[in-house]
Amino acid sequence: NAGVMQNPRHLVRRRGQEARLRCSPMKGHSHVYWYRQLPEEGLKFMVYLQKENIIDESGMPKERFSAEFPKEGPSILRIQQVVRGDSAAYFCASSPHLRSGAFFGQGTRLTVV
Amino acid sequence: GESVGLHLPTLSVQEGDNSIINCAYSNSASDYFIWYKQESGKGPQFIIDIRSNMDKRQGQRVTVLLNKTVKHLSLQIAATQPGDSAVYFCAEITATGAGGGADGLTFGKGTHLIIQP
Repeated sequence: NAGVMQNPRHLVRRRGQEARLRCSPMKGHSHVYWYRQLPEEGLKFMVYLQKENIIDESGMPKERFSAEFPKEGPSILRIQQVVRGDSAAYFCASSPHLRSGAFFGQGTRLTVV
Repeated sequence: GESVGLHLPTLSVQEGDNSIINCAYSNSASDYFIWYKQESGKGPQFIIDIRSNMDKRQGQRVTVLLNKTVKHLSLQIAATQPGDSAVYFCAEITATGAGGGADGLTFGKGTHLIIQP
């Protein structure tokens, strides 16, 4: 059973471009969470999704950021018109049901130049 | 703001000694807690969890203690090894009731565990 798969592992974007981060949850997991981590800091919750539904996006910036978890395929975190402040590690986690331990992927490190 | 925090940003221990990493939480509605280990450049790794109906849970070389009275959580690592060097986070899940809510994990800043030879 493969773990949570994130790709790409590293992503470089110029200011103003779009960044697409993908996350394939563990098999059988229908709950997906996205987190952002700055160097030497903890993980900041961004959004919680179930298949085809956004359950909680209270941690998402109001503009430029969006997330989806379609019926088929990976969850996508999309950042439009990236700025330098978007540079961070973005982690995805999945769990089989609500209120159970979440398992994390290795993250995507976004660098905006 | 964050409801989960850690007392010490860095903990240095001798190899072979026991390590104790502490965590305070402020949300009394939190009823499920998880400890994660994050090595440099990697994603957080699930170590051990505990539900609020328990006050102690043991794993392999690790023990988690929960004191709901003072809202305190600790992770004990027995016979610390070089491979234990990492940042350790505690995280909580809070049931906010029907309709969802912030059921995502809430993390503190983490404690960096350093193992000295």
